[in-house]
Amino acid sequence: QVQLVQSGAEVKKPGASVRVSCKASGYTFTRYGISWVRQAPGQGLEWMGWISGYNGDTKYAQKFQGRVTMTTDTSTSTSYMDLKSLRSDDTAVYYCAREVVPARPWDFDSWGQGTLVTVSS
Amino acid sequence: QSALTQPASVSGSPGQSITISCTGTSSDVGVYNYVSWYQQHPGRAPKLVIFDVTNRPSGLSNRFFGSKSGNTASLTISGLQAEDEADYYCSSYTSSITPLVFGGGTKLTVL
Repeated sequence: QVQLVQSGAEVKKPGASVRVSCKASGYTFTRYGISWVRQAPGQGLEWMGWISGYNGDTKYAQKFQGRVTMTTDTSTSTSYMDLKSLRSDDTAVYYCAREVVPARPWDFDSWGQGTLVTVSS
Repeated sequence: QSALTQPASVSGSPGQSITISCTGTSSDVGVYNYVSWYQQHPGRAPKLVIFDVTNRPSGLSNRFFGSKSGNTASLTISGLQAEDEADYYCSSYTSSITPLVFGGGTKLTVL
């Protein structure tokens, strides 16, 4: 079955960067893209962007342009999300999610367990 | 403020049906049939319950039903069960520069 396993919780200071990983299994990694969605404490879901598992093409939400970078390593079926210049309002649970239909990143049938990133001085 | 508008809360008794609305615009819900719904229990990752307005993922209970009229999509859950108590989020593809937007979420309470 499809599984997405994310890296562990992180605590960062304002201005720092964070990398969250998402290791996929149970499907052909290069057929599907991965989106990243975050959820601040007690708040709703927010789509951050998407990366193709096929060719590494990316599409970022306007809000995160210039601060987020998404990459993949097809040799290990792992996606990465880097977020820089962290602020306190970046404190959130970050999820990776696989699209239902290849190259159509607007619905997700498999999710990682989430990674809590806490930004605090 | 979320791009899609959902009621903050809805409630129903076991066995009853409830409907959660998701109101967008002519740039998203009104023009694309790419509305999805997610169920999220506390401390857990979201789970897809409806995609493409009306489609249920394989194996999901047919108690979940999705529909759309104009700029408003709806999720109906029939035969309410205690396990349905959760937060529900809608999402839609949009023609704006950020192609996916979520609703603010609705807390379903099973009385």
